[in-house]
Parts: sequence; structure tokens; C-alpha cells
Amino acid sequence: NAGVMQNPRHLVRRRGQEARLRCSPMKGHSHVYWYRQLPEEGLKFMVYLQKENIIDESGMPKERFSAEFPKEGPSILRIQQVVRGDSAAYFCASSPSGQGPQYFGPGTRLLVL
Amino acid sequence: KQEVTQIPAALSVPEGENLVLNCSFTDSAIYNLQWFRQDPGKGLTSLLLIQSSQREQTSGRLNASLDKSSGRSTLYIAASQPGDSATYLCAADNTNAGKSTFGDGTTLTVKP
Repeated sequence: NAGVMQNPRHLVRRRGQEARLRCSPMKGHSHVYWYRQLPEEGLKFMVYLQKENIIDESGMPKERFSAEFPKEGPSILRIQQVVRGDSAAYFCASSPSGQGPQYFGPGTRLLVL
Repeated sequence: KQEVTQIPAALSVPEGENLVLNCSFTDSAIYNLQWFRQDPGKGLTSLLLIQSSQREQTSGRLNASLDKSSGRSTLYIAASQPGDSATYLCAADNTNAGKSTFGDGTTLTVKP
């Protein structure tokens, strides 16, 4: 059973471009969480999704950020018009039921030039 | 709003020493608390999860305890090894839906 997959592992964008981060949960997991880890800071919750539904997006900035988890395919975290302050590591986690342990992917490290 | 604090921020010990990492949380109405390990530039590896009804969990040389009334959890590492060097994070779930609040971590260095 493969773990949580994230791609790309590293992403470089110039200010104003769009960034798309992908997360494939573990097989059988229908709950996905996105976290952001800014340099020298801890992980902060961004959004919680189940298949085709956003359950909780209280940690996600209101502008430029969006997330989806379609019926088929990976979960996508999309950042429009990136700014330097978006540079961070973005982690995805999945769980089978929304309770119990979360399993994390290796993260996508976004660098905005 | 839940706040999770980990003290110390960094710890350096000689190989073979037993050590304790501390995690405190302000809202004791948690469903579970999870300990993770993060290696530099890598993702998080789940070490132990303690449900709110449990007092401790053990895995190999690791033992995690939970005291909800005092808002504390500890991670005990026995007979530390250089390979244990990493950042250790604790995360508290108040939602029973996996939305966790993380501490900033304790960076452990075990010297050979």
C-alpha cells in the first residue's frame, strides 16, 4: 500500500504565476488535509476535504487559495498569483475515516522568486 | 482556540541517554493527540497516537503519555541513538475530524 503521494516535490514560481500542488491519498482513504509550514514555523491547518466536498477551510486564506478533491483523481491545492510570502512547504495528509491517525506525504516545497 | 506548546525547542543529548519531550495544550477537550517525527526536508512520520480515553501508548523505545486534566503529553525515548535525531512534533485534535493543531516542535540531536 503506497503512502500519501505529493507532486511535485519542489516547485519554483515567479510572482504572479499560479501554483498547483497535487496530493494522492493512501488507498482507501477518503479524507484529505492540507497543512502549510512556513520557514521556521510550525504546521498550520489549511483545509479538510472529503471526496467532492470541502468540510473545513477555516485555515485557508480567503483570496488566491482554493482546494478540491474530485471524485476521480488527486486533491489539488491551487494558489493563484503567488507572492513571496507563499514560499513554504505544503503537506498533505490522509486518513480513512477522519478520525484516528493521519498519514502525511513528503510535502511540496514551493519557492516564489 | 487550541494552542500547543513544545518545550524545549531544541535538545542535545549524548547517545544512550533516556529523554523526555514535553507537549502542552490549552484546550483539554481533545479527541486524540499524535506524536510525529520530521527529518530535515522530509514529511512527517506518525510515531504514536493516544486517544482521549487512553493514558499512554508504547512503540519500541518510545512511550507517550497523556494527561488531559493538566493539558500535557510527554514523549519518552529510551536509550537514545543518533538515528533518533530529528524534529518531534505533537498535534492535538479537538474536532474528532482530523483537523489538528501542531506545536512548533522539539529538535533533538543525539551525539554519538
